Amino acid sequence: AQSVTQLDSHVSVSEGTPVLLRCNYSSSYSPSLFWYVQHPNKGLQLLLKYTSAATLVKGINGFEAEFKKSETSFHLTKPSAHMSDAAEYFCVVSPSGYSTLTFGKGTMLLVSP
Amino acid sequence: DVKVTQSSRYLVKRTGEKVFLECVQDMDHENMFWYRQDPGLGLRLIYFSYDVKMKEKGDIPEGYSVSREKKERFSLILESASTNQTSMYLCASSRTSGSLGTQYFGPGTRLLVL
Repeated sequence: AQSVTQLDSHVSVSEGTPVLLRCNYSSSYSPSLFWYVQHPNKGLQLLLKYTSAATLVKGINGFEAEFKKSETSFHLTKPSAHMSDAAEYFCVVSPSGYSTLTFGKGTMLLVSP
Repeated sequence: DVKVTQSSRYLVKRTGEKVFLECVQDMDHENMFWYRQDPGLGLRLIYFSYDVKMKEKGDIPEGYSVSREKKERFSLILESASTNQTSMYLCASSRTSGSLGTQYFGPGTRLLVL
């Protein structure tokens, strides 16, 4: 069985400061890991994914995440927050070779001017 | 680009009504999924289908059924709607191979059951 824990339900940053959204996972298999973003009243959009290639994964809009197997973590970072980054972010795990996804409960990112 | 469409953005139904939520994808994906999204709970998988006329229960199938008569269309059915089924419903699709699990989501249907 797999599970995902997003360690913060809300994260507040100022525009121009770094963003860190934390995610720990549990999986019996070598997992695929994803970050999805949901802007208000919009559908879910894939931000980035890890699929056992490079451990540092670059996504859209300047986000990146690092897969650390020893820590079972997949934290999402961005060097400088923008107002348009305000959204809810979901960390997601999928056992390798399976089609189903297990979602974390989400982290709301608030960006202040 | 993959496009997943859902028949309604907002629905209001009464307790006991039969409710149909429709989802259509245009990328010939084998797999389709229905989730519900509730504040603080993330997304929870209701049902999924990996082929026409095939269906599998997800984590919370109680009170729901599904239908997949054509590859591009996946319907979620609430046989007798109840107030605890008030939620945002999201449909998604994915390929079986080559995408390593990437799912593409529709915009969602916000259902209110009175």
